[in-house]
Amino acid sequence: AQKVTQAQTEISVVEKEDVTLDCVYETRDTTYYLFWYKQPPSGELVFLIRRNSFDEQNEISGRYSWNFQKSTSSFNFTITASQVVDSAVYFCAPPYNQGGKLIFGQGTELSVKP
Amino acid sequence: GAVVSQHPSRVICKSGTSVKIECRSLDFQATTMFWYRQFPKQSLMLMATSNEGSKATYEQGVEKDKFLINHASLTLSTLTVTSAHPEDSSFYICSARDSVRETVNIQYFGAGTRLSVL
Repeated sequence: AQKVTQAQTEISVVEKEDVTLDCVYETRDTTYYLFWYKQPPSGELVFLIRRNSFDEQNEISGRYSWNFQKSTSSFNFTITASQVVDSAVYFCAPPYNQGGKLIFGQGTELSVKP
Repeated sequence: GAVVSQHPSRVICKSGTSVKIECRSLDFQATTMFWYRQFPKQSLMLMATSNEGSKATYEQGVEKDKFLINHASLTLSTLTVTSAHPEDSSFYICSARDSVRETVNIQYFGAGTRLSVL
């Protein structure tokens, strides 16, 4: 079965600081996808990224970057120069199987203070 | 693109009544939708997978007679909480996967429904 661990339950930073959210997963699959979602206070989950296990190249999107390390089963998320609008709960998730059911980690609540 | 509309956003009801929550994919077709439940300060718990034209698949421990799911069209799934009780109060979120782009395997989420049962 798939499992994901987000060890940091809460992180608080001051605006403009960089912050990294950790995600460690377990899977028996050789091919899989990993996802990150953001849940702002409004409640809606916002898709951030989908990563294929074949592709170990790190990805950058604006202030967001992801470090995928298959050898350590980690898929960490870094926000550079954080902003107050980044305050949210961030969830890491691998799918159960090819049917696409997502198992969410406990989430990391990020608070960015001005 | 990839917008999922969930309605209502908030509902307050008396104990014993039934509540229906709608989940619509607005600009894509979704043969598969998912229903989640989330308690305060907790993660999302998958309740069931809604399949268009067939019965929903429920996760272990979820009462299918309590949480009725209907996926009658490619753009609409409904969750009915029957005979709601205070312990059913929670935040319910749906998601939908684009049928045409299934290999992409991305779920798009609705804004959620906050249910309060008095």
